[in-house]
Amino acid sequence: DTAVSQTPKYLVTQMGNDKSIKCEQNLGHDTMYWYKQDSKKFLKIMFSYNNKELIINETVPNRFSPKSPDKAHLNLHINSLELGDSAVYFCASSQRWSDTQYFGPGTRLTVL
Amino acid sequence: GESVGLHLPTLSVQEGDNSIINCAYSNSASDYFIWYKQESGKGPQFIIDIRSNMDKRQGQRVTVLLNKTVKHLSLQIAATQPGDSAVYFCAEKRTSYDKVIFGPGTSLSVIP
Repeated sequence: DTAVSQTPKYLVTQMGNDKSIKCEQNLGHDTMYWYKQDSKKFLKIMFSYNNKELIINETVPNRFSPKSPDKAHLNLHINSLELGDSAVYFCASSQRWSDTQYFGPGTRLTVL
Repeated sequence: GESVGLHLPTLSVQEGDNSIINCAYSNSASDYFIWYKQESGKGPQFIIDIRSNMDKRQGQRVTVLLNKTVKHLSLQIAATQPGDSAVYFCAEKRTSYDKVIFGPGTSLSVIP
């Protein structure tokens, strides 16, 4: 009965590799988000999709590409991983853009 | 620019005491404020919110106070319990339809 789920929970990979993180919400929400939390716990929005349409794209390197196959899913693909990409990535969703956001459990990415 | 920050990065309180977590914001145009709780290994969880036309809002054991004159926000937790141990984030939106900007977080530790 998980509301917002992410896979995998942990991801350890080498520099230069390409990896994907998946997110699914079963809340029937229209809007989904990706956030990055660094080692100091600072949380920053990366992307937001509303009804499968990109509405926020913060100054994120174009190595990061979100993909929303349908309203319930928002995946994050990262090319040519760098050491600085190591962080916890959170997916979130809300009924509408202006509503309360519900966060997933996070994916801890470690780039070696 | 915009910034949301916290006066204290860490806070330790005795079980049963009241906790007060403070937050300063710099954007006087912000209209909507939110407090999130993040337990270890989990995603942020919505606690309570307040709009700029209010100065106080109460929930279950939590109260948020907003002082627009000095651009200060606080979260009060009554009768703090061990389960309240977490990192607390204040966040702001310029309007309900804007992106969420998170502050750096305060770690609350409850001493049994």
